[in-house]
Amino acid sequence: GAVVSQHPSWVICKSGTSVKIECRSLDFQATTMFWYRQFPKQSLMLMATSNEGSKATYEQGVEKDKFLINHASLTLSTLTVTSAHPEDSSFYICSAPPSGAKNYNEQFFGPGTRLTVL
Amino acid sequence: QKEVEQNSGPLSVPEGAIASLNCTYSDRGSQSFFWYRQYSGKSPELIMFIYSNGDKEDGRFTAQLNKASQYVSLLIRDSQPSDSATYLCAAEMNRDDKIIFGKGTRLHILP
Repeated sequence: GAVVSQHPSWVICKSGTSVKIECRSLDFQATTMFWYRQFPKQSLMLMATSNEGSKATYEQGVEKDKFLINHASLTLSTLTVTSAHPEDSSFYICSAPPSGAKNYNEQFFGPGTRLTVL
Repeated sequence: QKEVEQNSGPLSVPEGAIASLNCTYSDRGSQSFFWYRQYSGKSPELIMFIYSNGDKEDGRFTAQLNKASQYVSLLIRDSQPSDSATYLCAAEMNRDDKIIFGKGTRLHILP
């Protein structure tokens, strides 16, 4: 089946630094990718929709200047957490439906990136 | 506020028994519903999706949808210890074209 990878799988950083997380679709093209955040024992919360070649669409309450998204190609989207703080520590997961997919049942999740901010 | 509600559990079920997981949703306009399984520290994996009222069976899993009651359930027959995980219910918000996830139900299968 289709595979989505994320890198790194776990990152620990100091407060105030920036961290970049990559999401790649390995064997299909994705014009759209979704970024989620999941706190312990909480639901997945959609942060933003990443669109290839255009600006990302952010959900209400998500700071676009803090969570920078770049979808530069049909197989890569990046999420940069700028000036990270301990409250940004979370599990970040991306997902991607293959280009042309019409239903969410066709979306594939990446393995997630655990961010720990000290 | 569009929501998907689940009992957080844990739900403990003896091995070999039927596990029943329930979910309600608030947006009557939702059209598509999904059940994901998530192991600790891992990302979700799709178990079942259902669009139409009634039952949908796939192996040991049966998804049930009742749009009038805004209720979705997942039945796991012949429960195995490997079924122990958190099960996330999700609904696609048709008008917004997004998925809303519930908080998940932790399932423990007792050997």
